[in-house]
Amino acid sequence: AQSVSQHNHHVILSEAASLELGCNYSYGGTVNLFWYVQYPGQHLQLLLKYFSEDPLVKGIKGFEAEFIKSKFSFNLRKPSVQWSDTAEYFCAVLTGGYQKVTFGTGTKLQVIP
Amino acid sequence: DTGVSQDPRHKITKRGQNVTFRCDPISEHNRLYWYRQTLGQGPEFLTYFQNEAQLEKSRLLSDRFSAERPKGSFSTLEIQRTEQGDSAMYLCASRIEGYEQYFGPGTRLTVT
Repeated sequence: AQSVSQHNHHVILSEAASLELGCNYSYGGTVNLFWYVQYPGQHLQLLLKYFSEDPLVKGIKGFEAEFIKSKFSFNLRKPSVQWSDTAEYFCAVLTGGYQKVTFGTGTKLQVIP
Repeated sequence: DTGVSQDPRHKITKRGQNVTFRCDPISEHNRLYWYRQTLGQGPEFLTYFQNEAQLEKSRLLSDRFSAERPKGSFSTLEIQRTEQGDSAMYLCASRIEGYEQYFGPGTRLTVT
């Protein structure tokens, strides 16, 4: 069965620091990959997605992620975080004929002004 | 509003009672998913519909849980004989092939 690992559970950064959140998945076949964000009190929103195009994917609000197939990774990056990026970030993988989506456990990001 | 909607947003029930939640997906989306999310965890897959057919169910979905999507539009998730361990946020999402899932706001269930 597929699984998704997010290694950082809680990250604290100062504004303007660079961000990289790790995501690794286990699945041998074709995958589609996503990063979702959940701001406090809001529902899950899509940050970016990988659907077999350029492995470097750009999303909203200056976020990007790189799909490295050989490493089964899809790390999220942002060169300079803002206080408004404080949220929980979830990596997810879509696999298989039944189109099941599996989420990681999430990373809470706290940005200090 | 053309997003995914869920009703109710909050439900408090006593242990042993039955509860039913409703999800209305985005109208042209033929794929519908139910998830459960507890504090500190990511959404856990419960079940998936393509049109009215329930194609996959998680082992998390015990016999007390049942989901339907009778006409391939809205879906309901019923929990019978609720237990305190059922307390969670229940999320619904919909999509069409080739695109991402769109999530609803969730139904927060508290079992007392």
